[in-house]
Amino acid sequence: GAGVSQSPSNKVTEKGKDVELRCDPISGHTALYWYRQRLGQGLEFLIYFQGNSAPDKSGLPSDRFSAERTGESVSTLTIQRTQQEDSAVYLCASSWPGGPTDTQYFGPGTRLTVL
Amino acid sequence: EDKVVQSPLSLVVHEGDTVTLNCSYEVTNFRSLLWYKQEKKAPTFLFMLTSSGIEKKSGRLSSILDKKELFSILNITATQTGDSAIYLCAVGYGQNFVFGPGTRLSVLP
Repeated sequence: GAGVSQSPSNKVTEKGKDVELRCDPISGHTALYWYRQRLGQGLEFLIYFQGNSAPDKSGLPSDRFSAERTGESVSTLTIQRTQQEDSAVYLCASSWPGGPTDTQYFGPGTRLTVL
Repeated sequence: EDKVVQSPLSLVVHEGDTVTLNCSYEVTNFRSLLWYKQEKKAPTFLFMLTSSGIEKKSGRLSSILDKKELFSILNITATQTGDSAIYLCAVGYGQNFVFGPGTRLSVLP
């Protein structure tokens, strides 16, 4: 595809349920990032994947959050036992570290609402 | 701790005004500084800066980096209502990026 895609675009769930958010990066981009953006706030780093290296999970806020990536393609962010404070837009971005532009390309995000 | 600070956090101007947005940073292994515009959900790329003193320009927007003083500015001249957005500054370091909180710009007609 031409850009980063994410699904679903919107997700409403009940407190305590698990949710899965999907990200399809740009083909050939070895790096993939997940961010969270709460209403009115800046981007909060969650996790970073680079090729086959161990992911940088330093931004994950709790053990309810986990993410996986299959090779250099799709990534899934899972939130278990969702809480109301998890309500936010979850943005995925991909990049080609060391490439000519060194730019992150963002997907449209998933708006998660936990009731 | 690696961090990026932006100022002001919020700014209201009228069409035609010129604005300057500031971004300062403290990171190890600096690689690049990027500016994004975020109107709805996904930020869109504006500029990438890696060298000091070289202005990048795109239409009414321009940006410059000072690696000695560790800051960058984003200028918007002759602002329009369509410039209303959050402007994010991000710094690439090592293999990662850190984002500032953003500046919310509102341009009134």
